[in-house]
Amino acid sequence: QSALTQPASVSGSPGQWITISCTGTSSDVGGYNYVSWYQQHPGKAPKVIIYGVSNRPSGVSNRFSGSKSGNTASLTISGLQAEDEADYYCSSFKGGLYVFGSGTEVTVL
Amino acid sequence: EVQVVQSGAEVKKPGESLKISCQGSGDSFTNYWIGWVRQMPGKGLEWMGILFFSNSDTRYSPSFQGHVTISADKSISTAYLQWSSLKASDTAMYYCATTRDGNTHWDYWGQGTLVTVSS
Repeated sequence: QSALTQPASVSGSPGQWITISCTGTSSDVGGYNYVSWYQQHPGKAPKVIIYGVSNRPSGVSNRFSGSKSGNTASLTISGLQAEDEADYYCSSFKGGLYVFGSGTEVTVL
Repeated sequence: EVQVVQSGAEVKKPGESLKISCQGSGDSFTNYWIGWVRQMPGKGLEWMGILFFSNSDTRYSPSFQGHVTISADKSISTAYLQWSSLKASDTAMYYCATTRDGNTHWDYWGQGTLVTVSS
């Protein structure tokens, strides 16, 4: 299963917004509305922050939002905060299984 | 509240076998899927495979098919990840995650099990 393509790193200043892209194919991202996003702080387990392309689990800040167009999904973080500095991974359903994105390191300047 | 607890860190030699576990609590896991994820040092997340507790339907990512075995004992809500012959390249953090059938995201994660394979 080839990983979905994400930018290696994205940075922004506190209060700004950033967007992370996740590009796949019609067999994964483009074929299902089953894209989720995970946040992982160093030394910690991943945590789901977006599911079903644009839904937020209870307790997740509304500064996180998701969308999809064709074979590319996007995660937007608005009002960037220091605590948002982490690695972010997209994931999509694919052929009865799942595939992760390559991961994006977010740095808050 | 659903909780997932994994077994502790392991240090093994190449060629040895290993079985690590992941136990869920806080709900009946009959209608849950369990997934295993590998994270090699300094690298990204990789899906290894998933299993449905109810009927042990198991699916492996192509990269891991034939290299590991995923199993479960639903009577104790526990899933396992097993190697018959470890290699140094199996050194990684392994996470298990679980979700209810019908969901397409993984909302409950274990704390991770660090496996170190070194001679």
